[in-house]
Amino acid sequence: DTAVSQTPKYLVTQMGNDKSIKCEQNLGHDTMYWYKQDSKKFLKIMFSYNNKELIINETVPNRFSPKSPDKAHLNLHINSLELGDSAVYFCASSVASGNNEQFFGPGTRLTVL
Amino acid sequence: QKEVEQDPGPLSVPEGAIVSLNCTYSNSAFQYFMWYRQYSRKGPELLMYTYSSGNKEDGRFTAQVDKSSKYISLFIRDSQPSDSATYLCAMSRGGSNYKLTFGKGTLLTVNP
Repeated sequence: DTAVSQTPKYLVTQMGNDKSIKCEQNLGHDTMYWYKQDSKKFLKIMFSYNNKELIINETVPNRFSPKSPDKAHLNLHINSLELGDSAVYFCASSVASGNNEQFFGPGTRLTVL
Repeated sequence: QKEVEQDPGPLSVPEGAIVSLNCTYSNSAFQYFMWYRQYSRKGPELLMYTYSSGNKEDGRFTAQVDKSSKYISLFIRDSQPSDSATYLCAMSRGGSNYKLTFGKGTLLTVNP
């Protein structure tokens, strides 16, 4: 009964490859997010979707494309992976109003070789 | 100036100590203030949240917000080795603005 789940947990791939990370939440939230956490633990928002609509798109290379097939799922596809993409990617979800408490998934550790 | 500043530490204390963690911010539009705890190789988990100025207590944890000084704190009383983690402050404007802005996190180690 995991609230926010991500797959895979670890992803090791070569430069130039394309990969996807999947996220699902069973909290009934209507807003979902992708964050990137670098080696210094800095957590930075990348995207946010509310009811399948993109509402936040920070300065992220267009090699990163989020897709939300329904409000319980938010996937992240990354094209032409680069060494600098190595990081931990966290999915999160929240309700769409109020204090914006966000609940995080366990993370996907991406290593680009 | 970054929107949210947090001393990354590391901070090392003996078991039973009182720990004080702090963040400052520059955006006066922030209304909601949160503290997340992140264990090694895990996702952040929400520990405390406070709306506007004031204090909030939950067991050994107390969160304080001083909006006039743009300063927030998290106090941990009777710290335990299980409190060893990275603590991240986070803030948002709330409402229809969904963005959470995080501090860089403070790594805390509580030594038995």
